[in-house]
Amino acid sequence: NAGVTQTPKFHILKIGQSMTLQCTQDMNHNYMYWYRQDPGMGLKLIYYSVGAGITDKGEVPNGYNVSRSTTEDFPLRLELAAPSQTSVYFCASSYPRTSGYNEQFFGPGTRLTVL
Amino acid sequence: ILNVEQSPQSLHVQEGDSTNFTCSFPSSNFYALHWYRWETAKSPEALFVMTLNGDEKKKGRISATLNTKEGYSYLYIKGSQPEDSATYLCAFSDGGATNKLIFGTGTLLAVQP
Repeated sequence: NAGVTQTPKFHILKIGQSMTLQCTQDMNHNYMYWYRQDPGMGLKLIYYSVGAGITDKGEVPNGYNVSRSTTEDFPLRLELAAPSQTSVYFCASSYPRTSGYNEQFFGPGTRLTVL
Repeated sequence: ILNVEQSPQSLHVQEGDSTNFTCSFPSSNFYALHWYRWETAKSPEALFVMTLNGDEKKKGRISATLNTKEGYSYLYIKGSQPEDSATYLCAFSDGGATNKLIFGTGTLLAVQP
């Protein structure tokens, strides 16, 4: 199993441009999450999904969109990128809570800079 | 707003020292407390999931305790080694159906040889 994979690892974006961060998991997890990590701020939840076709906002969703057309993929789209979106983005996945006290498995992260 | 706090923010110890840090979380609606280990340039990896008041978990030289009534957990590292250098994150779950976690800001541990 590759686990949770993310592409790209690094990217520089110009203000106002758009891009999609890719996330794929091969563990057949229903639940997937997108976080951003800023220095001294911990991990903040952007969006999450409890299954294909179902997405919902987390703590900091503004400026982002997601889709979940398959169980495996959960891309995060940035529209009209702003410098405030410079961050490290982590994708994570887990089984449903009803399966136990399930940990989240994290991808390697995407370091995004908006200039 | 649920708040999870960790202290200290950072810690520098010598190889062989034992150390501990704290995670504080809401004592109401507790479901589980997760500890993650996060090495630089890698992704967070789960260490422990703790659910019951008085729980104590151990993995090698690392152990953790849980007090759900007062809302805190301690992580202990015995005889720290340079490879223990990492950020240690705790995350609180209130048991919502979405398995969402509220993360603390982490404790950065640096172990010098």
